[in-house]
Amino acid sequence: GIQVEQSPPDLILQEGANSTLRCNFSDSVNNLQWFHQNPWGQLINLFYIPSGTKQNGRLSATTVATERYSLLYISSSQTTDSGVYFCAADSGYSTLTFGKGTMLLVSP
Amino acid sequence: EAGVAQSPRYKIIEKRQSVAFWCNPISGHATLYWYQQILGQGPKLLIQFQNNGVVDDSQLPKDRFSAERLKGVDSTLKIQPAKLEDSAVYLCASSRKGYGYTFGSGTRLTVV
Repeated sequence: GIQVEQSPPDLILQEGANSTLRCNFSDSVNNLQWFHQNPWGQLINLFYIPSGTKQNGRLSATTVATERYSLLYISSSQTTDSGVYFCAADSGYSTLTFGKGTMLLVSP
Repeated sequence: EAGVAQSPRYKIIEKRQSVAFWCNPISGHATLYWYQQILGQGPKLLIQFQNNGVVDDSQLPKDRFSAERLKGVDSTLKIQPAKLEDSAVYLCASSRKGYGYTFGSGTRLTVV
């Protein structure tokens, strides 16, 4: 099946800083999503982005399908951005495979 | 639209006991998934339903886990008997083509 690798595994930022999270995948994708898992464990869908660029407030994402990677940008980070960010992809079998996640801590 | 509903939110049981989790997907979503997330790891698929038929259950430990989706709507995941290593968050998700997955809040299971 498809392999999904995320980097970095951990990230510590001061409030107001910007960051870029990376997701590499091993096969062409029909679906790629970025999720934020909050401290209560809920997975919040940030972007459905099998290709192209999308923006939502301080967050944006870009997927370059031909080069098999996706980037999540967080600008002007806030303490509420803390948590684990997961990238997940499927290669056409309708089953998302998750990476190991990036744990982000934003300190005041 | 209403999200994916799961219950209970938390459950503590002793090993060898049985437990069941319930999921109600977003209305109109034909595909439903159960994922298991062990602490510190990403979610892993247990089973996928398309309407009330099983599409993929290759990673479901069938000697102790079972799942059903009656009438193509609600779904129940059961563990019997539970082991210590089943302690995890059990996540239900539903999807429709072109819109990605939406996850429920999950059920945190602790087996003692």
